[in-house]
Amino acid sequence: EPEVTQTPSHQVTQMGQEVILRCVPISNHLYFYWYRQILGQKVEFLVSFYNNEISEKSEIFDDQFSVERPDGSNFTLKIRSTKLEDSAMYFCASSEGGATYNEQFFGPGTRLTVL
Amino acid sequence: AQSVTQLDSHVSVSEGTPVLLRCNYSSSYSPSLFWYVQHPNKGLQLLLKYTSAATLVKGINGFEAEFKKSETSFHLTKPSAHMSDAAEYFCVVSDRIGTYKYIFGTGTRLKVLA
Repeated sequence: EPEVTQTPSHQVTQMGQEVILRCVPISNHLYFYWYRQILGQKVEFLVSFYNNEISEKSEIFDDQFSVERPDGSNFTLKIRSTKLEDSAMYFCASSEGGATYNEQFFGPGTRLTVL
Repeated sequence: AQSVTQLDSHVSVSEGTPVLLRCNYSSSYSPSLFWYVQHPNKGLQLLLKYTSAATLVKGINGFEAEFKKSETSFHLTKPSAHMSDAAEYFCVVSDRIGTYKYIFGTGTRLKVLA
């Protein structure tokens, strides 16, 4: 069964460093998302991506964040200068179509720890 | 704006007894609602979804949920809990505007006692 994969599973970094979180969505999916979950809090939407551009982003997704689909299979989230408050579990998701009834398939997540 | 509220942060049941995880939604439109489960160190797995077809939705692993518009509820149930059901459960509504991003509830942690 096709699945969304994410690497690394755990990333530890120093404050101010750049990190890149990687995701491989399901191959025939067209819509891609990043969400994050700070420990003890709800899962929050960060950004959606379609047709090689950002479709929608939340207030959290400021200039320190960027996304890219560099090669038609990977989907990356970059944080340019990490802050302590960026420590969270980051989930990638993909969806076949853009409608409310289309389910999103989630990866296992990357736990980011900023020291 | 759409939202979901999960009324219980923790639920404990004995193995073999029924499970009820409560979710209420707020939406100006007919919503698309989902339940996801997250086992420790695993990703989010879809249990079931409601998309304006049948109001009683059956999912995987014996779970089902009933959409009740009059009560704005979408509670998740299972007749008999199994130890393997211990996990975190999320009620989700799909946004009707923008790119159909998910709006998550705060989650309910289900504990199953032997």
